[in-house]
Amino acid sequence: EAQVTQNPRYLITVTGKKLTVTCSQNMNHEYMSWYRQDPGLGLRQIYYSMNVEVTDKGDVPEGYKVSRKEKRNFPLILESPSPNQTSLYFCASSPWTENTEAFFGQGTRLTVV
Amino acid sequence: SQQGEEDPQALSIQEGENATMNCSYKTSINNLQWYRQNSGRGLVHLILIRSNEREKHSGRLRVTLDTSKKSSSLLITASRAADTASYFCATDAWNTDKLIFGTGTRLQVFP
Repeated sequence: EAQVTQNPRYLITVTGKKLTVTCSQNMNHEYMSWYRQDPGLGLRQIYYSMNVEVTDKGDVPEGYKVSRKEKRNFPLILESPSPNQTSLYFCASSPWTENTEAFFGQGTRLTVV
Repeated sequence: SQQGEEDPQALSIQEGENATMNCSYKTSINNLQWYRQNSGRGLVHLILIRSNEREKHSGRLRVTLDTSKKSSSLLITASRAADTASYFCATDAWNTDKLIFGTGTRLQVFP
């Protein structure tokens, strides 16, 4: 089954403790991205990647890192999480061609205390 | 900067009625897409309309696009309680590598 898988689904952590949210897709998509969703703000893009070893900042990249060592994986790293990073995070992937849809993971609800 | 803004923010209707949501955006686009999100879950793609298209249908969904006004609308006909969800427009803008989402419309359909 074609899917984007994020882990964990829920995470509560403390300020400053490094964490990684994993994202994997099995559709051989070139393009992957991370979004955060906050009430009243919709989805905002954090980082995106157009292919292996190619990453770029989205609209809200501060406090986050990503890597794209393999085509299927695109982990999101919070080196020193802070309470303002409490949010619902989504990973998405799509083929790198025009006029194609994005496929989303189930989401990771992160709480930083 | 957000590309799409949806209107209304929230909409409540009875089953069987039609639901119309609007989206406005700011710059030239390759296409505009609509997604649905059930509470706290991942987004699911509904329909994509290209910049050279004016209207598209998919089942009970009808999407229009007016590039001169930089706006789109999503019409759900004969709504059902199961249509209760948030709906987002997303634009694939020219000269960017991003899919930019609006703030969404929360639709509540009462049985």
